Formats: sequence, structure tokens, C-alpha cells
Amino acid sequence: NAGVTQTPKFQVLKTGQSMTLQCAQDMNHNSMYWYRQDPGMGLRLIYYSASEGTTDKGEVPNGYNVSRLNKREFSLRLESAAPSQTSVYFCASSRQQPQHFGDGTRLSIL
Amino acid sequence: GESVGLHLPTLSVQEGDNSIINCAYSNSASDYFIWYKQESGKGPQFIIDIRSNMDKRQGQRVTVLLNKTVKHLSLQIAATQPGDSAVYFCAETSNDYKLSFGAGTTVTVRA
Repeated sequence: NAGVTQTPKFQVLKTGQSMTLQCAQDMNHNSMYWYRQDPGMGLRLIYYSASEGTTDKGEVPNGYNVSRLNKREFSLRLESAAPSQTSVYFCASSRQQPQHFGDGTRLSIL
Repeated sequence: GESVGLHLPTLSVQEGDNSIINCAYSNSASDYFIWYKQESGKGPQFIIDIRSNMDKRQGQRVTVLLNKTVKHLSLQIAATQPGDSAVYFCAETSNDYKLSFGAGTTVTVRA
């Protein structure tokens, strides 16, 4: 069982570059989420998609865009990366609760 | 804004002892609470959850207690094992989507 798959696992960008993080789930979940995790902190919600065709802002949406491509896939885009976006990004999915997480994308912006 | 927090950032426990990890929350409207375990380099892994209409729920070696009067949540791990070493997060929500996470407690199990 793959669960939630995130690609890539690691990425280094230069300031101003763009990047799309990919997430796919095979659990037929309606809802999908993007979080960021900074050192010594819990996860903070960036965007979520309650169902296919809808997206909503979370706690820290500035600098990001999302696309719910279909029921399985939810991507996160950084249009112009900034050093403050250096973080570990986690995707999750759920029917309602609990949310099931992928293993993250470690993103460094220089 | 309202937040979920943990009382202690680190906990060291002897193998075989019971562990208690505490969490305070401030949103009185929260009706769902969850504990996750995160190992190094991995995503959070679901441990146990509880809804606000309950005050205790048990799983395999784990128990979650909810005290709504003082807005306190705890996770008890029985007979702690080396594999229990990880960071533990509590989280809460009032709308079934937006989970708010605490900062986490790092549990280290001593042999």
C-alpha cells in the first residue's frame, strides 16, 4: 500500500525560481492537504482541498498556489521561491479524520 | 489566534516505564483531538484520536485522556519501548479539516 506519495523527496532552489511539489494518494480520500514544518515547530496548514474541485486557504497560504488535479492528486506551487520558504513540506489526505501523511519534501532555497 | 501547545518539549523515559505526554489547547470549540508520532525523516503517523463527547479512549499500549474543563489532552504509553522514541504531536480541529498542531514533545527511551 503506497498511501500518500510525495515527489521529489529533496530539492534545492535558488531565490526566485519556481517549483511544483507533487502529491498523490491511492486511498480514495476526498480531502487533501499541504503543510509545512519548520524546525522545532508543529505542522502549519498551507492549503487544503475538502473535495475534488475545491481549494481553501489554511494558516500560511502566502507565496503558494495549489491545484487539485483530480481526486488522487494535489500539487503545491511556489511561483517565486524565497529563503523563508525553506522547510519540509508534507501532503496529507483523509476521508474526514484522521489525516494520513506522506514522508515529505525537504526544500532548501538559497 | 488560538493554538495547541505541549507542556514539555522533551521527555526521557526508562524502557519499560509508562510515558505521559501532555498537551494544552485553547480553542473551546475544538471537538476532535488527535495524537501523531513522527520518526526522523518520516511523516506524522496516526496513533489515536478522541472526540469531545468522550474523556478517554484506549488503543494498543496507548490511552488518550481529554479534560475539557481545563482544556487538557494527554497521551499515555504503557511499557515504553525503544521504538517509541520519536516526536509526538497533538492536534485539534473544530471543523474536520483544519488541524492545528502543537510544537511537539521529543520522547527518548533509555535502555
